[in-house]
Amino acid sequence: EADIYQTPRYLVIGTGKKITLECSQTMGHDKMYWYQQDPGMELHLIHYSYGVNSTEKGDLSSESTVSRIRTEHFPLTLESARPSHTSQYLCASSPPRTGSSSEQYFGPGTRLTVT
Amino acid sequence: GENVEQHPSTLSVQEGDSAVIKCTYSDSASNYFPWYKQELGKRPQLIIDIRSNVGEKKDQRIAVTLNKTAKHFSLHITETQPEDSAVYFCAARRTTDSWGKLQFGAGTQVVVTP
Repeated sequence: EADIYQTPRYLVIGTGKKITLECSQTMGHDKMYWYQQDPGMELHLIHYSYGVNSTEKGDLSSESTVSRIRTEHFPLTLESARPSHTSQYLCASSPPRTGSSSEQYFGPGTRLTVT
Repeated sequence: GENVEQHPSTLSVQEGDSAVIKCTYSDSASNYFPWYKQELGKRPQLIIDIRSNVGEKKDQRIAVTLNKTAKHFSLHITETQPEDSAVYFCAARRTTDSWGKLQFGAGTQVVVTP
């Protein structure tokens, strides 16, 4: 089934650890995004990508990095996790822009807790 | 850049009543305005969207209106039901943004009480 997947769904990790949050979509979308969201709160764009080997930083400054080596895969990495990184991370994708649809499809999210 | 303001931040309504959420945007170049619903513990999902060449759009109990001159758009939910309880986000996208980036409002927590 065409969808957008995120793993892990929940992660509790100690300060200083390196972590990678995985995001994959099987919808053939070219554009992908990472948002940071505290529960029920505003969505903050932290990274986005137009396609393979194309990544940009979003509006909210983040210490994370991303890569886009394959169209369907857009992982986010934190080299050294800190308690301030505790949040929910949502991945999203959208199709090539057409006259009819500009929808962003969201993954289920990864809830990260750094102790 | 674009700035989207959303009001109110919380909204409590009796089941069967109507709910209205309002958003204003700053960039007159914005031309696409989606609304997302996020239930507790779930992912945001698109419920309705409107483009700048349309003034109103309806889908069953939900409708969105757009006033380009005043740069504001609103979500209307009629005959509210308990399953309408969620956080609702408005967003705007600039016509010149080929990246498809959305600027989201801060969200409205809607609680429908039986």
